[in-house]
Amino acid sequence: NAGVTQTPKFRILKIGQSMTLQCTQDMNHNYMYWYRQDPGMGLKLIYYSVGAGITDKGEVPNGYNVSRSTTEDFPLRLELAAPSQTSVYFCASSYTDQPQHFGDGTRLSIL
Amino acid sequence: DQQVKQNSPSLSVQEGRISILNCDYTNSMFDYFLWYKKYPAEGPTFLISISSIKDKNEDGRFTVFLNKSAKHLSLHIVPSQPGDSAVYFCAARARNAGNMLTFGGGTRLMVKP
Repeated sequence: NAGVTQTPKFRILKIGQSMTLQCTQDMNHNYMYWYRQDPGMGLKLIYYSVGAGITDKGEVPNGYNVSRSTTEDFPLRLELAAPSQTSVYFCASSYTDQPQHFGDGTRLSIL
Repeated sequence: DQQVKQNSPSLSVQEGRISILNCDYTNSMFDYFLWYKKYPAEGPTFLISISSIKDKNEDGRFTVFLNKSAKHLSLHIVPSQPGDSAVYFCAARARNAGNMLTFGGGTRLMVKP
């Protein structure tokens, strides 16, 4: 039972590079979310989706883009990596009004 | 402006004793609260929740208490076990805000054998 799977687990980027963080879930959840966690801080919502084809901004969306073409997948795109985007990124999914299930995170360093 | 605060970054408890983790919130629109547990290199896992219509919810060794007038909730773990050592996050959901959560900064619990 895979749950929420995130790839890659670790990545180092140079300033200005772009990359996509992958997230897939096999629980048929309609909601999916992207969070970032900075050291010593709580999780902050970047983007979320309430279903395929629908996405919306969270608390800290600047510098990121998302798409949701299927129920299972919710990739997060960084177009021009900046040092401030060094963080641990968590993807989560849920049914409406149910607790969110999280992946194990992607640790991203931008140098 | 932190709407959910966990003022204790860390807590150390002896095995078998009670662990009490605290959380304060400021947004009166929050009506559902959750606790998540996180081990290193893993994602947070849901532990227990409470609706604002209740003041207590219990699940085995874990009990969450909600004091709406004080805008305060707490998680009690009794008895504490070494495997409970982790970071605990408090989270809150506002009514009419979908399933979006606002997280506190976390408390690192260390249970000593």
